Amino acid sequence: KNQVEQSPQSLIILEGKNCTLQCNYTVSPFSNLRWYKQDTGRGPVSLTIMTFSENTKSNGRYTATLDADTKQSSLHITASQLSDSASYICVVSPLYSSASKIIFGSGTRLSIRP
Amino acid sequence: DTEVTQTPKHLVMGMTNKKSLKCEQHMGHRAMYWYKQKAKKPPELMFVYSYEKLSINESVPSRFSPECPNSSLLNLHLHALQPEDSALYLCASSHDQESSYNSPLHFGNGTRLTVT
Repeated sequence: KNQVEQSPQSLIILEGKNCTLQCNYTVSPFSNLRWYKQDTGRGPVSLTIMTFSENTKSNGRYTATLDADTKQSSLHITASQLSDSASYICVVSPLYSSASKIIFGSGTRLSIRP
Repeated sequence: DTEVTQTPKHLVMGMTNKKSLKCEQHMGHRAMYWYKQKAKKPPELMFVYSYEKLSINESVPSRFSPECPNSSLLNLHLHALQPEDSALYLCASSHDQESSYNSPLHFGNGTRLTVT
């Protein structure tokens, strides 16, 4: 069964610190993996997307890594800001599937404290 | 601001009411989606419209009725809902339904629905 698991479920860090969120998936064959940021009460917004051939992708202070062999991805946030408080969702697309067949992880709820 | 607009932002309705959620996009996308999201859970797919035709219904109860009047608009008609239907309802669109890489989902900010 295709699954996407994220850890930790929730995380609290101080402003200015770095953190890393994890995503493990069993989706196979695999097309691409996307990280979304979802602020409370708002829709998810795409941060990064990686195919199986890509190891790392950056978007400002966000850096995603992918190890297609171990089926693991991470999202590293550098110099966190209060506005980084949100849920971060890992989404994996099976190969040869439509956009509607993407598989969502349960998300990591990140809280940044001043 | 999101390019997918949803109205209303908040809705409170009784179990005997009839209401509608609206979604609009002007990106020329030909696939539109309704998702339901409960607190601390990932979005769950409800319906997909592709080129204005319903292509996927994920066994959603008939008290939820989608409608796609044209390529830019998507409605979700609600009737005789239950309290457990309270959730954030997200609309999304994509260029088409074919490829998730080339056609990422663009989400609206959702309608927070409370059924009393």
